[in-house]
Amino acid sequence: GAVVSQHPSRVICKSGTSVKIECRSLDFQATTMFWYRQFPKQSLMLMATSNEGSKATYEQGVEKDKFLINHASLTLSTLTVTSAHPEDSSFYICSAPQGPGNTIYFGEGSWLTVV
Amino acid sequence: DQQVKQNSPSLSVQEGRISILNCDYTNSMFDYFLWYKKYPAEGPTFLISISSIKDKNEDGRFTVFLNKSAKHLSLHIVPSQPGDSAVYFCAASQGGSEKLVFGKGTKLTVNP
Repeated sequence: GAVVSQHPSRVICKSGTSVKIECRSLDFQATTMFWYRQFPKQSLMLMATSNEGSKATYEQGVEKDKFLINHASLTLSTLTVTSAHPEDSSFYICSAPQGPGNTIYFGEGSWLTVV
Repeated sequence: DQQVKQNSPSLSVQEGRISILNCDYTNSMFDYFLWYKKYPAEGPTFLISISSIKDKNEDGRFTVFLNKSAKHLSLHIVPSQPGDSAVYFCAASQGGSEKLVFGKGTKLTVNP
């Protein structure tokens, strides 16, 4: 079964509004989670590292004020896309390391469509 | 600058035959490599990984080969099954980091 769960799986929002995506680790604690974005026919691109108890670290070119990350607890990280624009429409996926060797598991992903 | 490259966007094989998916990387600091399988609109599913101290790792029908001098790795699936049809991503990391760098993926189709 899934060890990392994302919600919602699909969301449509209007331009200018904000939308929150949740990423939960199931039955394990994750001090670190990662947020990726995938555009059609492209690879997964790391956006930021979510750190429990401290600020997220963002990859170069990712606007931290636009993509707000909050690692609220050891099992929950949230990504909020603020003032969404149509170009933010994408597939957002989170991941968390778990188990021996820290195998990295991914959530089911969340499709965001901004209209 | 793409550090992990999967130069074949698609591959089609017959059921029962071997599927070979290739991946090249440019960053010599990468020391851990992973393969993921992904269906549309779903998150990637971990398949198999290999550390740079090894040149081969096998798990059931899946074997990953690593050629460090060539900066090349490959995933072999044998025998291929129709259920293996998906997009396969190669990913790499360095220094024990859990941040992954992905290739663009190869879409595998296994025909019955």
